[in-house]
Parts: sequence; C-alpha cells; structure tokens
Amino acid sequence: GAGVSQSPSNKVTEKGKDVELRCDPISGHTALYWYRQRLGQGLEFLIYFQGNSAPDKSGLPSDRFSAERTGESVSTLTIQRTQQEDSAVYLCASSSGPLAAQETQYFGPGTRLLVL
Amino acid sequence: DQQVKQNSPSLSVQEGRISILNCDYTNSMFDYFLWYKKYPAEGPTFLISISSIKDKNEDGRFTVFLNKSAKHLSLHIVPSQPGDSAVYFCAADDNAGGTSYGKLTFGQGTILTVHP
Repeated sequence: GAGVSQSPSNKVTEKGKDVELRCDPISGHTALYWYRQRLGQGLEFLIYFQGNSAPDKSGLPSDRFSAERTGESVSTLTIQRTQQEDSAVYLCASSSGPLAAQETQYFGPGTRLLVL
Repeated sequence: DQQVKQNSPSLSVQEGRISILNCDYTNSMFDYFLWYKKYPAEGPTFLISISSIKDKNEDGRFTVFLNKSAKHLSLHIVPSQPGDSAVYFCAADDNAGGTSYGKLTFGQGTILTVHP
C-alpha cells in the first residue's frame, strides 16, 4: 500500500481504559503528524515527529496523551484513562521533508474513537 | 480561540455552477494557506495552496483567492461537478520564511453538495 494507514479504523472503549492507536506512514516520509477532529470542529494538531529530532508535543491536550515513533516508521498514539471528551477521529499524516508546509501532508483514513 | 474559521457548515450548488467556499483567519502570522478535501471514511487530501505573496492561485477548475487585508480566503470551483461533493477544509501555516514544519491550523470544514 502506498498511502498512510491507521489502525484500528474504529475503537469503542469504556471511560478510564487506555487505548493505543497506530499509524503507518508512507515509506520514506520523515515527518509524521497526529491530529484529532472532534465533532463539529476542525482538525487540531497534536504532535509532530521529524526524523530523529525531539518531537513537538505542544498540541497534546493533557498528560494522558503520549506518542512514540520508532525512527521514520510506525507511530503509536496512546491515551491513558480515556474520558468521554477524548471521543474524536484521530488522524495521522506524513510528509516527505522538513519544509513540510511546502510539501503535501498525506493523511490516513483516521481512527474513530468513541469513549462510553 | 479558533484562528481559522469556516462560517458556513454547508453549501449546496447545482452541477455546472460555481461553488465558493470561504475561510477567515485571525492570526496575522499565517503566510501559507491550503485547502483540503475529505470524502467520508477517508483522510483529507491536499487540493490547492497559496502563499501570502500571491493573491490568486489557479489549478484547473479550482482557484484560491487570498485577501490579506481582510484575512480572508476563498476557494472557487468552476464548473462544479457531483464528484466535488465532499467536506472542504481550509488550513493555515506560519511558514516563517520556509522554516516551518507544517503545523497546520484547520477550519471546521464546509460540506459541499453538488446536485446533478
């Protein structure tokens, strides 16, 4: 597959449980982003990875959110002790270079998370 | 505080006519703007962009206009086709002279429906 893939596509969990979302970027893309879209709102930036540099975590809404990326491959976004307000579509995007504003960000289909 | 706003949640247009999607922003540091298109169950895909040094960029049926003094941009689709029916997101970046890494700020999206 040539595109960005995410798993699972849908996740229903109970309040207080931990969830892990996975993103497989396009091969060779050094930049990886996580966004989320809550109902009726725009996409919110969460975190950015670029190669082996320290990630920009400035968009993470609380310390219950964390993300990791191994090299320039798979990334996982973990939400601990989920709350109902965490319900959203979580989108991953990757891009081929550091000047990513000039490059296209390619998005995955998203993971739809519902916290009951 | 929403820095990028799309005040029309939906737009309905007849096939063959012009679709005009609007976007307003508040952050004067934004200097690069993008439009993304999203079909259901898919991630957003890049459509067209414009740098703040321009006031118009055209790509086939799609034209983006930027009015910096009004902090307003618009996407024109002419002629509109049923396949254009999708959610359109406006996004902005503080490109900082090319050193930005593409941390985009998105609007809420506008649902465009083109009727045959």
